[in-house]
Amino acid sequence: DAKTTQPPSMDCAEGRAANLPCNHSTISGNEYVYWYRQIHSQGPQYIIHGLKNNETNEMASLIITEDRKSSTLILPHATLRDTAVYYCIVRVPITGNQFYFGTGTSLTVIP
Amino acid sequence: DAGVIQSPRHEVTEMGQEVTLRCKPISGHDYLFWYRQTMMRGLELLIYFNNNVPIDDSGMPEDRFSAKMPNASFSTLKIQPSEPRDSAVYFCASSFWGETQYFGPGTRLTVL
Repeated sequence: DAKTTQPPSMDCAEGRAANLPCNHSTISGNEYVYWYRQIHSQGPQYIIHGLKNNETNEMASLIITEDRKSSTLILPHATLRDTAVYYCIVRVPITGNQFYFGTGTSLTVIP
Repeated sequence: DAGVIQSPRHEVTEMGQEVTLRCKPISGHDYLFWYRQTMMRGLELLIYFNNNVPIDDSGMPEDRFSAKMPNASFSTLKIQPSEPRDSAVYFCASSFWGETQYFGPGTRLTVL
């Protein structure tokens, strides 16, 4: 699976949009981009995933660049409960392929 | 669905004792994964099963660790004998057809 690069930490004001970047310059054509987050002491929580089109769900939006070498997770209106470590993962969603969780981005939402 | 269920949530034991962690995957999921998380190594995959069969156990640290999945709704991870360096949070996750993985709340293991 392709490696990803994320900033180690970010701050965001409560109510503002949080934009979390991820670089995956070696991504291959059949690899998807997944985002998970882990709130302190809890299990990782699935947020969203996509291949090349932008995706949106009730939690977040995923913007993938046209060359697919980077992506941005957008939390439109960050709340204190969004404070967590966010992991960007690229993988082929075939059977059995494991998720490689890197070090992620520690997002702190500030009141 | 209740999600992935793990028990116990916390376990404190003494070095040399046997530890058994339990996991109930989401109903209908055919893949089950065991992960371990520590500050030093982050989240690492130990073993995963497909249709109750172990597929890849290359992440299991050593022979003291063993995992079983006797049926589609239950799996165990056993450490015998336990050592202080096994202290970590152990997560179980399940997925359908290898797609999005859903994680349990974890078991925090402390070996004294």
